[in-house]
Amino acid sequence: AQSVTQLDSQVPVFEEAPVELRCNYSSSVSVYLFWYVQYPNQGLQLLLKYLSGSTLVKGINGFEAEFNKSQTSFHLRKPSVHISDTAEYFCAVSEAGGGNKLTFGTGTQLKVEL
Amino acid sequence: KAGVTQTPRYLIKTRGQQVTLSCSPISGHRSVSWYQQTPGQGLQFLFEYFSETQRNKGNFPGRFSGRQFSNSRSEMNVSTLELGDSALYLCASSSGTGALTEAFFGQGTRLTVV
Repeated sequence: AQSVTQLDSQVPVFEEAPVELRCNYSSSVSVYLFWYVQYPNQGLQLLLKYLSGSTLVKGINGFEAEFNKSQTSFHLRKPSVHISDTAEYFCAVSEAGGGNKLTFGTGTQLKVEL
Repeated sequence: KAGVTQTPRYLIKTRGQQVTLSCSPISGHRSVSWYQQTPGQGLQFLFEYFSETQRNKGNFPGRFSGRQFSNSRSEMNVSTLELGDSALYLCASSSGTGALTEAFFGQGTRLTVV
């Protein structure tokens, strides 16, 4: 079975600074990888996804992520954060042939400070 | 077009009661998945329905059940509620099944069991 690890439960960062949110996964089969964002009292919104091809994936709101198969990682980065990026970020994986089932990490709370 | 609609948004129930939550997917979407979100366990997959058939099921007790209607609307039911069932229940709709189709999440139903 697949699993996802987000080692950082909270990441504080100053506005306009760069940020990296870490995600590692484990699976015995081919996987697809996702990053979602959740604002308070809201559902989840897809930031970006990796299905195949180029390992550098660009998403919405200036976020990007790099798939590293050898390190089984899919870290999320943004070169310059804004106050409005304060939210919880979830890394998720689905297995090839696993339908729409997503396995999520425990989330990383990004807090952007002035 | 309208997004995923979950009703009700908030619900308070007593231990031992049962509850039914509703999810109306985006028009034209045939897949609905349900997730439970709690501070302790994070986001956990409950089940997935596609064209009225359950395609996938998570590791939840039989008290948790669901169904999908011919118009793709889905309901989930929890019987004999326990305090630990207090959670945000999220519904996601997709046009198909598999990672190539994006999952769109509703705002969730927050269930409190007292």
